[in-house]
Amino acid sequence: EVQLLESGGGLVQPGGSLRLSCAASGFSFSGNAMCWVRQAPGKGLEWISGIGGDETTHYADSVKGRSTISRDNSKNTVYLEMHSLRGEDTAVYYCAKDLWDYAGMDVWGQGTMVTVSS
Amino acid sequence: QSVLSQPPSASGNPGQRITISCFGSGSNIGSKPVNWYRQLPGTAPELLIYKDNQRPSGVPDRLSGSKSGTSASLAISGLQSEDEADYYCAVWDDSRRGVVFGGGTKLTVL
Repeated sequence: EVQLLESGGGLVQPGGSLRLSCAASGFSFSGNAMCWVRQAPGKGLEWISGIGGDETTHYADSVKGRSTISRDNSKNTVYLEMHSLRGEDTAVYYCAKDLWDYAGMDVWGQGTMVTVSS
Repeated sequence: QSVLSQPPSASGNPGQRITISCFGSGSNIGSKPVNWYRQLPGTAPELLIYKDNQRPSGVPDRLSGSKSGTSASLAISGLQSEDEADYYCAVWDDSRRGVVFGGGTKLTVL
């Protein structure tokens, strides 16, 4: 079964940092681009970062400079580190598998909630 | 404000056909393949359409996608109560070097 399982969410103070993980199973992980998409409470979807099979990375302006996406193909896991967190980063963070070359995300995790609050 | 523009809401009666539009620009819809997602409350999004008009396995053929210039559309025929959901368009944007989403359209089946 193709599956993505996120972890690492929780309550973080403003200015703090966190690392989200996404463990993949059931498909050839190393060949696929992987993305992180978030959804603030009551809001729409926002793509924030992607990493290709060749480890090329891309970021949305909203997180650029304070986020790092990475992958460990030996563990079939993709990570998202975020720093200088602020209230507007409060959201459900989804990990998603891309079809190819950012053509569409066909497998999604269940999401992990990140709350930035003092 | 989203890079891609979608109507915030749409509605239709059971059995009817509705379309949801998505407007972009030359750096995204005008030059890259569009995909569509459905999201039920409290669940992760689901890919409905990729490469403008291709359906992943398991997506019924009463859902279809199309594109013309810098706009795209998702059509749902034979509307059913289970189609009530939020629908999002998305596409790679060459100017932003990232994926951009529409603001989403909430579909109500009357």
